[in-house]
Amino acid sequence: EDQVTQSPEALRLQEGESSSLNCSYTVSGLRGLFWYRQDPGKGPEFLFTLYSAGEEKEKERLKATLTKKESFLHITAPKPEDSATYLCAVQTLISSGSARQLTFGSGTQLTVLP
Amino acid sequence: DSGVTQTPKHLITATGQRVTLRCSPRSGDLSVYWYQQSLDQGLQFLIQYYNGEERAKGNILERFSAQQFPDLHSELNLSSLELGDSALYFCASSVEDSPFMNTEAFFGQGTRLTVV
Repeated sequence: EDQVTQSPEALRLQEGESSSLNCSYTVSGLRGLFWYRQDPGKGPEFLFTLYSAGEEKEKERLKATLTKKESFLHITAPKPEDSATYLCAVQTLISSGSARQLTFGSGTQLTVLP
Repeated sequence: DSGVTQTPKHLITATGQRVTLRCSPRSGDLSVYWYQQSLDQGLQFLIQYYNGEERAKGNILERFSAQQFPDLHSELNLSSLELGDSALYFCASSVEDSPFMNTEAFFGQGTRLTVV
């Protein structure tokens, strides 16, 4: 069974204090790893897709990296508006091979204090 | 704005009732996914449709069903509702015109269902 574990569950940072969020996974047939941001009561907002170990993607203060077992979301000099829950999801093939599903982790709730 | 539209935004209903949630995917997207998000379960995949056909089923209860219409909008039907069905229900869409193309899914704002 595919498993996705995110840590820490919650993280409080001071504005400007850089840190990393972790997403470790155990899946068969990884087709992609996705990072989403979710604000309270809103739908997840797509951030990044990573397909292969060693790949990195950046967007503003966020940088996502991927290894064979885990992904990191690095946040450099965060601002209060970066406060949200960050979700990691892995995309795998359904056993029939013709469909894919996203399996989500439980998320890291990030709070950036001014 | 992701381009995925869900209605209604909020729904309050009684136990035992039936409700229908509606989703319009992004223009050009053929695939629609439904997810349930509750406080203790996180985001759970329910079902996927591609161009009108069911593609994959996740943790969807037998009391729940879905369909995708020729205009590609989708409806999620929830019946014999229980208190535990209270959750946020999200629809997502993606291009997915090939099993071997990796595409990201874009989520709607969700429907908050409260069963009383």
